[in-house]
Amino acid sequence: NAGVTQTPKFQVLKTGQSMTLQCAQDMNHNSMYWYRQDPGMGLRLIYYSASEGTTDKGEVPNGYNVSRLNKREFSLRLESAAPSQTSVYFCASFGQGRGAQYFGPGTRLTVL
Amino acid sequence: DAKTTQPNSMESNEEEPVHLPCNHSTISGTDYIHWYRQLPSQGPEYVIHGLTSNVNNRMASLAIAEDRKSSTLILHRATLRDAAVYYCTYAGTASKLTFGTGTRLQVTL
Repeated sequence: NAGVTQTPKFQVLKTGQSMTLQCAQDMNHNSMYWYRQDPGMGLRLIYYSASEGTTDKGEVPNGYNVSRLNKREFSLRLESAAPSQTSVYFCASFGQGRGAQYFGPGTRLTVL
Repeated sequence: DAKTTQPNSMESNEEEPVHLPCNHSTISGTDYIHWYRQLPSQGPEYVIHGLTSNVNNRMASLAIAEDRKSSTLILHRATLRDAAVYYCTYAGTASKLTFGTGTRLQVTL
């Protein structure tokens, strides 16, 4: 039982490049989330998916798109990366059982 | 969004108890109080949550004030592995959580 996995762990992009961050969970959770964490800051919600086939904007959605590919997978896409998107990105999932969000290990993204 | 107030940082000696306070004066009657922690270079992890009564689990205890406007996370014997940022938040369900900047706990020998 791997929990929540994220790929890649690290990525460096040039301004204007695109990339997709992948997230998968094996806990059969309905809800999945993407957060970003800037140095010294709390987590800010980018997008979430309450169930397969639905996605909603969070606090800071500009510059991002998401896809809930199936119940297990939720990807985050940066179409044209900007230096302001340099951050650590965390994926999380939520299940009713323990009433807690489970987080992945994060992707550290640097945009030059 | 949940509005909580936590100290920016706290220090503790190893094997001593630690009391991490949190004020949440705008909490509603149906909101649960949640605590998460984030170890260095890792994602946040669930610690404990509660509604009205004090709660205990293998990681910590949660003491909730009678008026529910504040709570305290208690680590009974801090270890070096407990050094982390501790986040307090509240919500009707853990499906909708917001995270502030938390309390950075330093544990020394």
